[in-house]
Amino acid sequence: GAGVSQSPSNKVTEKGKDVELRCDPISGHTALYWYRQSLGQGLEFLIYFQGNSAPDKSGLPSDRFSAERTGGSVSTLTIQRTQQEDSAVYLCASSGGTGGGGYNEQFFGPGTRLTVL
Amino acid sequence: AQKITQTQPGMFVQEKEAVTLDCTYDTSDPSYGLFWYKQPSSGEMIFLIYQGSYDQQNATEGRYSLNFQKARKSANLVISASQLGDSAMYFCAMRERIKAGANSKLTFGKGITLSVRP
Repeated sequence: GAGVSQSPSNKVTEKGKDVELRCDPISGHTALYWYRQSLGQGLEFLIYFQGNSAPDKSGLPSDRFSAERTGGSVSTLTIQRTQQEDSAVYLCASSGGTGGGGYNEQFFGPGTRLTVL
Repeated sequence: AQKITQTQPGMFVQEKEAVTLDCTYDTSDPSYGLFWYKQPSSGEMIFLIYQGSYDQQNATEGRYSLNFQKARKSANLVISASQLGDSAMYFCAMRERIKAGANSKLTFGKGITLSVRP
């Protein structure tokens, strides 16, 4: 079946503009995550959705960042008034199931490379 | 304090030899899981192996094994018989608050670059 997909694959924008990044998780996966990876760095958690529960927004770096997940499926990450430090690869992941244990592997999408000029 | 620490500089290994990539972690949660991911130059994140905090045996997946030393809070990845295609960034990650019915975020280390020499 299809994996996690993200669009666009690349986005170049000017400082101060708003951008929207889209993630289509694996069908049936209840959990969806957004991470950010700056050049040569590890992944930084941004936000996590689990079913109909309130999202865990603890990783969002500022109020310019927001995300929503419509109908428990597709998610959009919005960055308002982009800054140069927002330049990074934004990765989405999803995982399935609500039960049992720690082995809920997260499947990652290919990422969106955001460049803010 | 960092939750996941990967401090090795770029690692080099000769093809067909084994290599160990170090990872130490910090948590007060008794129930957690440890993951290793591979990220080749193409950028995709590839899941390699998982170790749960209550697992009695060290995890193994083909050429990958995890040397889990709970008391020392280390979860080193061992790759046996290295192949040229193993050249990539390797990330250790941890998931805390594991309980029935819960997913939660992964906390990643900064990664280690592995280069396999022919």
